Amino acid sequence: AQTVTQSQPEMSVQEAETVTLSCTYDTSESDYYLFWYKQPPSRQMILVIRQEAYKQQNATENRFSVNFQKAAKSFSLKISDSQLGDAAMYFCAYRGSQGNLIFGKGTKLSVKP
Amino acid sequence: DTEVTQTPKHLVMGMTNKKSLKCEQHMGHRAMYWYKQKAKKPPELMFVYSYEKLSINESVPSRFSPECPNSSLLNLHLHALQPEDSALYLCASSHPGRLNNEQFFGPGTRLTVL
Repeated sequence: AQTVTQSQPEMSVQEAETVTLSCTYDTSESDYYLFWYKQPPSRQMILVIRQEAYKQQNATENRFSVNFQKAAKSFSLKISDSQLGDAAMYFCAYRGSQGNLIFGKGTKLSVKP
Repeated sequence: DTEVTQTPKHLVMGMTNKKSLKCEQHMGHRAMYWYKQKAKKPPELMFVYSYEKLSINESVPSRFSPECPNSSLLNLHLHALQPEDSALYLCASSHPGRLNNEQFFGPGTRLTVL
């Protein structure tokens, strides 16, 4: 069975600084997708970034980028130039052959002004 | 329109009540999902509908009854719930088939069972 682990329950970053959120996963599949979702307080969950396992190039979306290490089964999210609006719960998620999203437990990110 | 809407936003019900949660999307998505999310926990998948047919039921108790009357609507009928069923219920939709398809989430219905 696939599992997703986020080892940092909470993180804090100063505004304009850079922060990295960690995620590891376990799977025996070779074809899968990885996602980072953001859930702000009392607001809906939105997709931040996605990575296809067969692509070696790390995905980037503006200030958000990932460090995808397939052999190590690691998928970290880097947020550059952090903004107050980045404060949220961040979930790492795996999607394999079964089609279901498997979420990690989440990392609560606080941004200090 | 890239929005998934859910009604009501909040719901308080007794253990003998019958109520329904509603979800709607107009993005042409043919896969729709119900998740349950407890406080400070990740969403847990409950049901998946693909082309209006129930494709996944994650061993959810029968007091939760999903319905997909058409490709835009998803309902969750609630009956004889327990206090431990209190949670945020999230609806999501996506194009079915491709694994990298983004799931769009609604804002959720916060359910309290007394």
